[in-house]
Amino acid sequence: ELKVEQNPLFLSMQEGKNYTIYCNYSTTSDRLYWYRQDPGKSLESLFVLLSNGAVKQEGRLMASLDTKARLSTLHITAAVHDLSATYFCAVTYMDTGRRALTFGSGTRLQVQP
Amino acid sequence: NAGVMQNPRHLVRRRGQEARLRCSPMKGHSHVYWYRQLPEEGLKFMVYLQKENIIDESGMPKERFSAEFPKEGPSILRIQQVVRGDSAAYFCASSLLNQETQYFGPGTRLLVL
Repeated sequence: ELKVEQNPLFLSMQEGKNYTIYCNYSTTSDRLYWYRQDPGKSLESLFVLLSNGAVKQEGRLMASLDTKARLSTLHITAAVHDLSATYFCAVTYMDTGRRALTFGSGTRLQVQP
Repeated sequence: NAGVMQNPRHLVRRRGQEARLRCSPMKGHSHVYWYRQLPEEGLKFMVYLQKENIIDESGMPKERFSAEFPKEGPSILRIQQVVRGDSAAYFCASSLLNQETQYFGPGTRLLVL
């Protein structure tokens, strides 16, 4: 069964602090995605990670992938209030022909001033 | 270049009525995916379609739900005889033939009274 688990599910942090969101998945995946969702809004694509050791950075967010551990991390550096949102990781299993995304439950991030 | 479009954005139905949700993919995209998001949860895959073909419907409930993507016009997700448990946000995503990143529409929020 395909499972994607994120933790923590809820994260309250102060501005200026660093933190990491973790995403574990159960079966060998070929692509891992991070999305951001603001309340009542759609999903915005942040990163696509394709291979072991991949690291991508955009502003205060950095994502990495360890395919051997089946783990991806989303690291937040010096958080600001604008980063408050729910973050989802999702995987695809293209090798099985399954193009659909399997999502984690999401991490709701709240950055306090 | 317009993004993925969905309509209506909000839909209210009484139990037993039918709901029709429409999705127009991004220009040039031939793959369409439907996902459902229950409150405070992640997205769950429902169905994956290409023009005139259902490729993967492993996430669709066996009864009352159907989807199509005709040669001309938008993709439609149809829910017959809606029940309160169908209340959710329904997101459509599209992708290019040989690309994996899925771009999401704004969603349709269905409320069943």
